[in-house]
Amino acid sequence: KQEVTQIPAALSVPEGENLVLNCSFTDSAIYNLQWFRQDPGKGLTSLLLIQSSQREQTSGRLNASLDKSSGRSTLYIAASQPGDSATYLCALEYGNKLVFGAGTILRVKS
Amino acid sequence: NAGVTQTPKFQVLKTGQSMTLQCAQDMNHNSMYWYQQDPGMGLRLIYYSASEGTTDKGEVPNGYNVSRLNKREFSLRLESAAPSQTSVYFCASSQERDFYEQYFGPGTRLTVT
Repeated sequence: KQEVTQIPAALSVPEGENLVLNCSFTDSAIYNLQWFRQDPGKGLTSLLLIQSSQREQTSGRLNASLDKSSGRSTLYIAASQPGDSATYLCALEYGNKLVFGAGTILRVKS
Repeated sequence: NAGVTQTPKFQVLKTGQSMTLQCAQDMNHNSMYWYQQDPGMGLRLIYYSASEGTTDKGEVPNGYNVSRLNKREFSLRLESAAPSQTSVYFCASSQERDFYEQYFGPGTRLTVT
């Protein structure tokens, strides 16, 4: 059974800091990995999708990497801003379904 | 272009009552999904529909039924609500089942007393 763990569970940083969110999984037989952002009381917004043949994706201040052999993905956020405050979820495609981590709650203080 | 819409946004039910959650997408996507999210946990797949006319069970299907009414609409029905079904329900869609980016609706917050 695939298990997805996100560390840390919560993170509070001052504005401007660079930060890394971690996602680990137990079975490397995955196809794709997606990072989502969830604002309180809202749905999920897709941030980055890394397909199985790729190792990383970038969008603006966000960079996500995927290392299937070690069972890890990281989401790097550069020059964090208060507007980045949200819950960040990773989800991987495994066995024809998406398996989600519990998320990292990020708070960026101004 | 509204994306994925869900109704209602909030609902309170008494144990044993039934209700249907509605979901519609206007992106001409083939695949649609229903997820459940409990506090502090990731989303779990309840049911999905790979294409119009097909539905399949996900990780936590017990207590739920679904209908893929047409390509746009995918509904989730609770036949006899239980307090354990208090949760936030998200509908999502994607172009294909195997696997493109999934787009999510805003969610329905359901409380069963």
